[in-house]
Amino acid sequence: DTEVTQTPKHLVMGMTNKKSLKCEQHMGHRAMYWYKQKAKKPPELMFVYSYEKLSINESVPSRFSPECPNSSLLNLHLHALQPEDSALYLCASSRQTLTDTQYFGPGTRLTVL
Amino acid sequence: QQPVQSPQAVILREGEDAVINCSSSKALYSVHWYRQKHGEAPVFLMILLKGGEQKGHEKISASFNEKKQQSSLYLTASQLSYSGTYFCGTEVGHPPYQGGSEKLVFGKGTKLTVNP
Repeated sequence: DTEVTQTPKHLVMGMTNKKSLKCEQHMGHRAMYWYKQKAKKPPELMFVYSYEKLSINESVPSRFSPECPNSSLLNLHLHALQPEDSALYLCASSRQTLTDTQYFGPGTRLTVL
Repeated sequence: QQPVQSPQAVILREGEDAVINCSSSKALYSVHWYRQKHGEAPVFLMILLKGGEQKGHEKISASFNEKKQQSSLYLTASQLSYSGTYFCGTEVGHPPYQGGSEKLVFGKGTKLTVNP
């Protein structure tokens, strides 16, 4: 099983809402990533979790709050987002480090009104 | 720090070959290649590591010139299924520890279209 799942597939939220994106993998991977991708642009790294600890935070605004409850799950909590935060949010995982293949989930298409 | 990809776009007929290049201004620890089709997630193609190790699909070939901080992806006998946007992702070196930065930065992408 080389699948990374993400829920929901689509999300529409207002600027005052609080919502969460979920990512799950059952490959035993110990590194998990959140990326943001705008239309016709490359994915941009947001956060890296290694062994369930936040190892890299790419100066992402605090309205994005990651959480790694266990080695299989990665959440992204959203609060007070702006319309410019509308994008495809991709989760990925790899066995341990970036020298291993990253497997991407299908993404959550987020629209902020 | 974002790598530069060239060309930005290429159109092929089925069976033709193509080369996509990726260059960086920083010393690289690893180069990753992904293909993304419209509306889908990126799919892994190849990792090239400093020191010569490669991990990837049998039908995909690539090179990594550490001194020139460049990588090239070679697509031979292209098929319709090769169409998509190809991204190179680079991980810079983290001296003096000889490891990588653990951060992947993607280039802007090369859009490949294969026509019948």
